[in-house]
Amino acid sequence: GNSVTQMEGPVTLSEEAFLTINCTYTATGYPSLFWYVQYPGEGLQLLLKATKADDKGSNKGFEATYRKETTSFHLEKGSVQVSDSAVYFCALKGAGNNRKLIWGLGTSLAVNP
Amino acid sequence: DTAVSQTPKYLVTQMGNDKSIKCEQNLGHDTMYWYKQDSKKFLKIMFSYNNKELIINETVPNRFSPKSPDKAHLNLHINSLELGDSAVYFCASSQDSTRNQPQHFGDGTRLSIL
Repeated sequence: GNSVTQMEGPVTLSEEAFLTINCTYTATGYPSLFWYVQYPGEGLQLLLKATKADDKGSNKGFEATYRKETTSFHLEKGSVQVSDSAVYFCALKGAGNNRKLIWGLGTSLAVNP
Repeated sequence: DTAVSQTPKYLVTQMGNDKSIKCEQNLGHDTMYWYKQDSKKFLKIMFSYNNKELIINETVPNRFSPKSPDKAHLNLHINSLELGDSAVYFCASSQDSTRNQPQHFGDGTRLSIL
């Protein structure tokens, strides 16, 4: 079945550091891939998405590229801010009749000033 | 305007009680979801409705019963609450259940069982 593997946290960085959160997936066909962010005390919100191979999703300085050859969708940001402290979730929606979003376990990011 | 709103935000109650959580979305979406998030932030899908029809019904105790009176509302009723039900419950909606549509989440209901 479909699955998502996300790097474990917590990740602690200093402000302006480079961020990578790894996400790899297993799926048949061509799934859609998503990154969601959950700020403290809030619900999840979509950060970016990509729906086909080689697509790059980007938002708020974050980027992720859909890599079919490595089955990966790693999240990157060149210079993190304190306000980026949150939990980040990688997710996959399969093709066909599978209607569930498959979630990674979440990676907690803390950015120190 | 809040897109997906849940009430109550906090719910503290005793073991054995019955409680309900309400969810409403004003996005015109066809599909709604209930998730449970545990203390380690693990997200588990519980139910999903598409235009009032149940389309996802995961392995959850039958003490949990969803109800969708119309496509803008999805409520969750929980009977005989247990300590293990303590969690944050999120309602979400999406335009439909196809693969490209992102989900929009409410702010959660924090349920604590004493």
